[in-house]
Amino acid sequence: EVQLVESGGGLVQPGGSLRLSCAASGFTFSYYWMHWVRQAPGKGLVWVSHINNDGSTTNYADSVKGRFTISRDNAKNTLYLQMNSLRAEDTAVYYCARPTASWDSSSPVDYWGQGTLVTVSS
Amino acid sequence: EIVLTQSPDFQSVTPKEKVTITCRASQSIGSSLHWYQQKPDQSPKLLIKYASQSFSGVPSRFSGSGSGTDFTLTINSLEAEDAATYYCHQSSSPWTFGQGTKVEIK
Repeated sequence: EVQLVESGGGLVQPGGSLRLSCAASGFTFSYYWMHWVRQAPGKGLVWVSHINNDGSTTNYADSVKGRFTISRDNAKNTLYLQMNSLRAEDTAVYYCARPTASWDSSSPVDYWGQGTLVTVSS
Repeated sequence: EIVLTQSPDFQSVTPKEKVTITCRASQSIGSSLHWYQQKPDQSPKLLIKYASQSFSGVPSRFSGSGSGTDFTLTINSLEAEDAATYYCHQSSSPWTFGQGTKVEIK
C-alpha cells in the first residue's frame, strides 16, 4: 500500500525556518518525481515545488523561489522541504504528492499525504 | 503561468441531479487537465486524468470532457457522498489549479 506521511509542521515566527519531511512507502520511491503542494486555510491548492527521481532537477513556484529548497534521500525514502525566511502568507497545510507516472513530472497526482500544517505567526 | 478559472464557485444540488463544472484555461493545454475531489479535512483524490480518463476506482457517474482551453466535469445522478470541493489542475510546469467549486447537497 502506497503511503506518504508528512511531518515537521508547526508554529514558527515570521523570518523563521522549518524543515518538512515526507516518508514514503509501498512503492519504489527512487523511481518517482515528487511534488509539494500547499493549501492555505479555507483556500485552494497551490503547487510549491518538484524534484526528479535522483534529485538533480528541481523547480519552484515564484512565491517560494530563493526561500524554499526541495531535496530527497532515496536511501531513506524521504522527501524534504526546507523553508527559510517564512512569511505569514506561507501558512498552509503542506502535502507531498506522488504522480501517477514515475518518469513524468507532468502526470497528475494519484497519492497525497495527509498534510502537515505550517503556521507562521508572531 | 497558465490560469485556470472554474465556474461556478458554488453549487447547491439535490440528490440524483446532474452537476456540471467547467474549467477554462488561459491558453491551450491540450488534454493535460485533471480533476480532483476534496472533502473537508481530507487530502484531494484524483477523479479524472487527461481530461476524460477515469481514474481507477472512481464511480462511473463522474466523467470529464474537453480539450484545448475548455473542460467539463460532469457528475451524473449526484449522491450525498459527492458533497465536496472539486478542483481542476493543469500539469504543464508550473502546475496550477482552479480556485475550486464547492458542491453542497440540498
